[in-house]
Amino acid sequence: QVQLVQSGAEVKKPGASVKVSCKASGYTFTTYGISWVRQAPGQGLEWMGWINIDNGNTDYAQKFQGRVTMTRDTSSSTVYMELRTLTSDDTAVYYCARSRLQSDYWGQGTLVTVSS
Amino acid sequence: SYELTQPPSVSVSPGQTARITCSGDALPNQYAYWYQQKPGQAPVLVIYRDSEKPSGIPERFSGSISGTTVTLTISGAQAEDEADYYCQSTDSSGLHVVFGGGTKLTVL
Repeated sequence: QVQLVQSGAEVKKPGASVKVSCKASGYTFTTYGISWVRQAPGQGLEWMGWINIDNGNTDYAQKFQGRVTMTRDTSSSTVYMELRTLTSDDTAVYYCARSRLQSDYWGQGTLVTVSS
Repeated sequence: SYELTQPPSVSVSPGQTARITCSGDALPNQYAYWYQQKPGQAPVLVIYRDSEKPSGIPERFSGSISGTTVTLTISGAQAEDEADYYCQSTDSSGLHVVFGGGTKLTVL
């Protein structure tokens, strides 16, 4: 069965970086892209960007341009999302999801807490 | 930047029909997708391409479009349908993906 399994919760200080992983299984990894979506406490969903697994091309939401990098490792079917220069506003649950739109499978979410 | 507008909340009694709207200028030309999210859980896709339904989604869920508004309809809402619902689409260029602000559905 299709699964996206994310890395565990992180606590970071302001100004630091965080790198969250998302390991895919149960389907041909290169067939679908992976999106990253975050949700601040009590807030809505926010689309951060997407990586084409086949060629590694990325598309980032303008808000995160210059601060986020999405990469993939096809040998381990894992996608990574790194967010730099963290502030308290980046405290959120970060989800990976299959496909750019029509996301039919989601990871369990990774809580990233930014606190001094 | 492009926005999708949803009502913050909708309330219905059990067995009634719930309608959740999502408005955006590009919706006549770009597909919309709907997600259900219950507390502490990841979102679940309930409607894709305006009105298509993934396997395993109950028959009472349906989607439609009229002009610049898409609507998620839950016919005969049940207590288990109480959740936050989000629409998703892109701007007219198809390049920028956005979510609506979300609608909290209360079934009481």
